[in-house]
Amino acid sequence: GQQLNQSPQSMFIQEGEDVSMNCTSSSIFNTWLWYKQDPGEGPVLLIALYKAGELTSNGRLTAQFGITRKDSFLNISASIPSDVGIYFCAGQPQVSYNNNDMRFGAGTRLTVKP
Amino acid sequence: DGGITQSPKYLFRKEGQNVTLSCEQNLNHDAMYWYRQDPGQGLRLIYYSQIVNDFQKGDIAEGYSVSREKKESFPLTVTSAQKNPTAFYLCASSIDLRPGTGNTIYFGEGSWLTVV
Repeated sequence: GQQLNQSPQSMFIQEGEDVSMNCTSSSIFNTWLWYKQDPGEGPVLLIALYKAGELTSNGRLTAQFGITRKDSFLNISASIPSDVGIYFCAGQPQVSYNNNDMRFGAGTRLTVKP
Repeated sequence: DGGITQSPKYLFRKEGQNVTLSCEQNLNHDAMYWYRQDPGQGLRLIYYSQIVNDFQKGDIAEGYSVSREKKESFPLTVTSAQKNPTAFYLCASSIDLRPGTGNTIYFGEGSWLTVV
């Protein structure tokens, strides 16, 4: 199935800076998920969103389910070196060709300089 | 601890050889999945299973096979027909992903497969 458009592809920031990344789709979604993946490891779920307009925080992370239901963003505040990794979004379309249709972004590679 | 266990972490395959990646979950999830991850690309679905003794092809099933004889186990075999098998393979599970259920998907730690 069509994958999600995730941007930016990579980010290089200074420790303490805030970070923002987003995912968009051409169709309506009813679930948005954000994951972090360290090199050579499996993705770990950060935040799950199930309702349009929903804004959810997990520590320094905040994610929102866009009102149009076609996008979502993830913010990281006051970044620290252990935030380094690949962040990717996933979502479930409202209209799917099967009951297990999950789409994925290609990921945002975050580098944090001390 | 509850979770999804994949093994082995690293596997080397010779040309013409079949290899099997193991995936076990103790989350009591009905649905299980296998994804392939290549650099710079989103995850691609190989196979999924919603219930024991049933599984469906995903977007890139050619050259792969699976079985689901037990709820907690979903092994993936990479056959010699898969011409470009070198990748990172991720097993995942969920309660189910029917639209509107609001469920989510959890991943194992991944397995690296390299052709030598």
